[in-house]
Amino acid sequence: GAVVSQHPSWVICKSGTSVKIECRSLDFQATTMFWYRQFPKQSLMLMATSNEGSKATYEQGVEKDKFLINHASLTLSTLTVTSAHPEDSSFYICSARGTGGLINEQFFGPGTRLTVL
Amino acid sequence: KNQVEQSPQSLIILEGKNCTLQCNYTVSPFSNLRWYKQDTGRGPVSLTIMTFSENTKSNGRYTATLDADTKQSSLHITASQLSDSASYICVVSEYNFNKFYFGSGTKLNVKP
Repeated sequence: GAVVSQHPSWVICKSGTSVKIECRSLDFQATTMFWYRQFPKQSLMLMATSNEGSKATYEQGVEKDKFLINHASLTLSTLTVTSAHPEDSSFYICSARGTGGLINEQFFGPGTRLTVL
Repeated sequence: KNQVEQSPQSLIILEGKNCTLQCNYTVSPFSNLRWYKQDTGRGPVSLTIMTFSENTKSNGRYTATLDADTKQSSLHITASQLSDSASYICVVSEYNFNKFYFGSGTKLNVKP
């Protein structure tokens, strides 16, 4: 149980285009999802916290107009990288925090590798 | 300031050997501490979770310890295998689960 999926697992796009990444909790409801970015050989960096039905909370230095987050349901959050540029190339990982007995738990997705040409 | 520090930053050991990874934290109020294993190009996978009252917890060849007084945790890996090569991340959550604090990880390389 408590599986989080991401789609796509990898994507290559041209500079200037927008890319949408989906994060789904498959067998539990997640009122809170987190989006992380990880550059090679570095630790995960929290980008934003997404709460179902409300606006995301962005970490300092993360452009909310560039990284659009939508958490429309208890099982789905999306991250859209708008007007992507090569410096946005990174490994994007989401995690979901459960509810009830799983509120203390954070389950990670497998990640999405974004390459912007 | 709430922080999580891990050491060493990287570690190379021979297959079959044991090793211990360290995690020191200043997160307060404390809720729980979790060790994750992250293979290259994958998302982190939980190994153990420890609450305030727990001193040690095992998961196969992985044994985690927690000293809530000194705010230190360790992850001990016994009889290492090549598949243990990964980054190990210590994550501490704040009471009321408001926030998670990540260590920078320890990169473990197990060589044959």
